[in-house]
Amino acid sequence: SQTIHQWPATLVQPVGSPLSLECTVEGTSNPNLYWYRQAAGRGLQLLFYSVGIGQISSEVPQNLSASRPQDRQFILSSKKLLLSDSGFYLCAWSGGYRQGGNTIYFGEGSWLTVV
Amino acid sequence: SQQGEEDPQALSIQEGENATMNCSYKTSINNLQWYRQNSGRGLVHLILIRSNEREKHSGRLRVTLDTSKKSSSLLITASRAADTASYFCATVGGNNRLAFGKGNQVVVIP
Repeated sequence: SQTIHQWPATLVQPVGSPLSLECTVEGTSNPNLYWYRQAAGRGLQLLFYSVGIGQISSEVPQNLSASRPQDRQFILSSKKLLLSDSGFYLCAWSGGYRQGGNTIYFGEGSWLTVV
Repeated sequence: SQQGEEDPQALSIQEGENATMNCSYKTSINNLQWYRQNSGRGLVHLILIRSNEREKHSGRLRVTLDTSKKSSSLLITASRAADTASYFCATVGGNNRLAFGKGNQVVVIP
């Protein structure tokens, strides 16, 4: 069965510090990978998605970046965090379109507080 | 791009009652999905209904889809305290990507 892991689960970072959130998927190959952000009391905002190694699409301009160094690894980064980067970050994966359904499977999330 | 919009935003019910949530969207879709999120956790997929389907059941869940009105409803029958969560609808359009609504908080009182 497929599983998704992301870490760390919580972190408190000072403004201007770097960020690295990691996500790995097991039990599948060539997944579509996603990073979402969820601000308090709001819906999910798609930040990045990737259909393959080294292929990253950004949905919104910001000081975050994403990388996919391996097929089942997705990393969210920032060189200098802003207060507005605080939120709940969710990694997710889905099968390719031919696998049907486009159901997305989420990790447990990472709480980021920038102070 | 389309976005699901759930209505009402918050719902508080007694255990055993039914809970109904609605979702509307703006453009044509391939399918519509409902997800549940327990507080501070990731989202869990509940059910998917395709654009050519009108109703779908999964356990105590019943989803309807009216493409002419661009709306969907999620019914949870015989609610339990464990159903307390936020429920999101999400639509999949021609770009094959999900667009989520803002969520619908449901509190089931034991």
